[in-house]
Amino acid sequence: DTAVSQTPKYLVTQMGNDKSIKCEQNLGHDTMYWYKQDSKKFLKIMFSYNNKELIINETVPNRFSPKSPDKAHLNLHINSLELGDSAVYFCASRRRGSRTDTQYFGPGTRLTVL
Amino acid sequence: QKEVEQNSGPLSVPEGAIASLNCTYSDRGSQSFFWYRQYSGKSPELIMSIYSNGDKEDGRFTAQLNKASQYVSLLIRDSQPSDSATYLCALIGGATNKLIFGTGTLLAVQP
Repeated sequence: DTAVSQTPKYLVTQMGNDKSIKCEQNLGHDTMYWYKQDSKKFLKIMFSYNNKELIINETVPNRFSPKSPDKAHLNLHINSLELGDSAVYFCASRRRGSRTDTQYFGPGTRLTVL
Repeated sequence: QKEVEQNSGPLSVPEGAIASLNCTYSDRGSQSFFWYRQYSGKSPELIMSIYSNGDKEDGRFTAQLNKASQYVSLLIRDSQPSDSATYLCALIGGATNKLIFGTGTLLAVQP
């Protein structure tokens, strides 16, 4: 009964490869997010989708492409992986409409690019 | 200037003491403020939210907001070793619906 789940939990890959991270939420929320947390623990928003529509894109390189097949899922595909992509990627979700609504975070995916 | 600033710490306090975590922000239009706790290797977890000036208490936690000074703080009373974690200050910017985080303060509660 996990609220926000992500797969895989760990991802180790070589530079230049393409990889995907999947996220699913069973909270019935309309809005989902991808965040990147770097080695210095700085957590920064990358994308936000509201009911399958992209609403925030934080000048992330276009090697990163989010896809939302339905409002419960938000996947992240990364092309041509670079060393600097190594980080923990968190998915989150929130009920639409209120700024007071809590964002619930998934467990994170630790990506290591060698 | 960073949008949300926190001292990275570590902040070390003895068990049973009050831990005081501070955060300043630059966007005067910000209306919603949050404190998240993140244990090492885990995801952020919301512990407090505050939207109006003054204090808000929840158990051992008290959040304080001063919009005039653009300052948010979190007090943890009777600190326990299990409170040892990174505490992330976050806000929703005035012009957007984005949650913007500070870099976090590492709290270490010594038994």
